[in-house]
Amino acid sequence: DAGITQSPRHKVTETGTPVTLRCHQTENHRYMYWYRQDPGHGLRLIHYSYGVKDTDKGEVSDGYSVSRSKTEDFLLTLESATSSQTSVYFCAISERGLNTEAFFGQGTRLTVV
Amino acid sequence: DQQVKQNSPSLSVQEGRISILNCDYTNSMFDYFLWYKKYPAEGPTFLISISSIKDKNEDGRFTVFLNKSAKHLSLHIVPSQPGDSAVYFCAAMVYNQGGKLIFGQGTELSVKP
Repeated sequence: DAGITQSPRHKVTETGTPVTLRCHQTENHRYMYWYRQDPGHGLRLIHYSYGVKDTDKGEVSDGYSVSRSKTEDFLLTLESATSSQTSVYFCAISERGLNTEAFFGQGTRLTVV
Repeated sequence: DQQVKQNSPSLSVQEGRISILNCDYTNSMFDYFLWYKKYPAEGPTFLISISSIKDKNEDGRFTVFLNKSAKHLSLHIVPSQPGDSAVYFCAAMVYNQGGKLIFGQGTELSVKP
């Protein structure tokens, strides 16, 4: 299995509070991604990173920010959590030129009440 | 606008028979296509991929077919096994655009003994 660890695995938070999810990799892959999975929508890209301090928006980036200060860590922050952000969040990594496919973490189930 | 669509939310197949999962896309810029398999409470795992320069790729029991003119791809599993029961996601990317995957909604495959 690719070395990807997501933390926490489960979290319940209140509306309006900030939340940070962490993705840690040990593969030294250049690209990292955050997706959310919702019924009827599959997985949708929130933000991605193509290097340290290099990030860009995905399909559903509103209400989310990211940071990548080290190759191995990619943080996803919900600035002020809303109930519509209740979802399962997946981090993924890939390396262009070696493996085209992305490897996914185990997921974080976030509930906003 | 859903660029990748899996129109069948579920599929039930008898063990030993063929499973055919379908996927349609609208963006003609997509040049690489992947299938992922997902078990409950786990992250998606890569199954098989195909480049737009090919029309078929095989890996053991799994074959992916690509029809570029119809913007359609399919995954064939022969013979189907109970352990294949999972949600299957089709994904597409533009290879030189950071590896961002656009996913379909998923098809839940149930293989009955």
